[in-house]
Amino acid sequence: GQSLEQPSEVTAVEGAIVQINCTYQTSGFYGLSWYQQHDGGAPTFLSYNALDGLEETGRFSSFLSRSDSYGYLLLQELQMKDSASYFCAVRDGRGGATNKLIFGTGTLLAVQP
Amino acid sequence: SAVISQKPSRDICQRGTSLTIQCQVDSQVTMMFWYRQQPGQSLTLIATANQGSEATYESGFVIDKFPISRPNLTFSTLTVSNMSPEDSSIYLCSVEATQNIQYFGAGTRLSVL
Repeated sequence: GQSLEQPSEVTAVEGAIVQINCTYQTSGFYGLSWYQQHDGGAPTFLSYNALDGLEETGRFSSFLSRSDSYGYLLLQELQMKDSASYFCAVRDGRGGATNKLIFGTGTLLAVQP
Repeated sequence: SAVISQKPSRDICQRGTSLTIQCQVDSQVTMMFWYRQQPGQSLTLIATANQGSEATYESGFVIDKFPISRPNLTFSTLTVSNMSPEDSSIYLCSVEATQNIQYFGAGTRLSVL
């Protein structure tokens, strides 16, 4: 089967750094994405890694190790507005009808003052 | 980027009835995706809709229960047929208007009594 595992909950304080891990086991792999979803809102794209290494976008960074089937999202200088659910997602096709995403179990991040 | 309008935003329906959810995109896209999300849970892909052909359904989802239309490159509908309380969920549509980035509608919150 296909699975993407994440910690269910993470708690941190404002200004801190937090890392959300994602381990995956999928039949195909063409990249790892991260999405943020506030309560009652739509998922929004944060980052995408197709190759091994670190991608940095402002306060957020994402890392991928394809050999370990592992990635993480790093959030720095945490703010209260970062409290949300975070999902990793694997693209399991190169394109066309297989251009779908398989989502991870999700991590609820609570940022405390 | 893409802006997605999804209707209705929420509905309360009686058991045995059907509900059609509409998804309108502000640009032409090849693929549209329909997801289901239980509150506090991950996103599960229902089907992928390609204009001019039948939708591709994921394991556990069938066309008789979730018929999909895709009449043009900016619009799709998902019908939840013969509803039961187990169909109570959030239904989301998404598109990949930018490579490797999916944009989501705000979702339809469905409660079946």
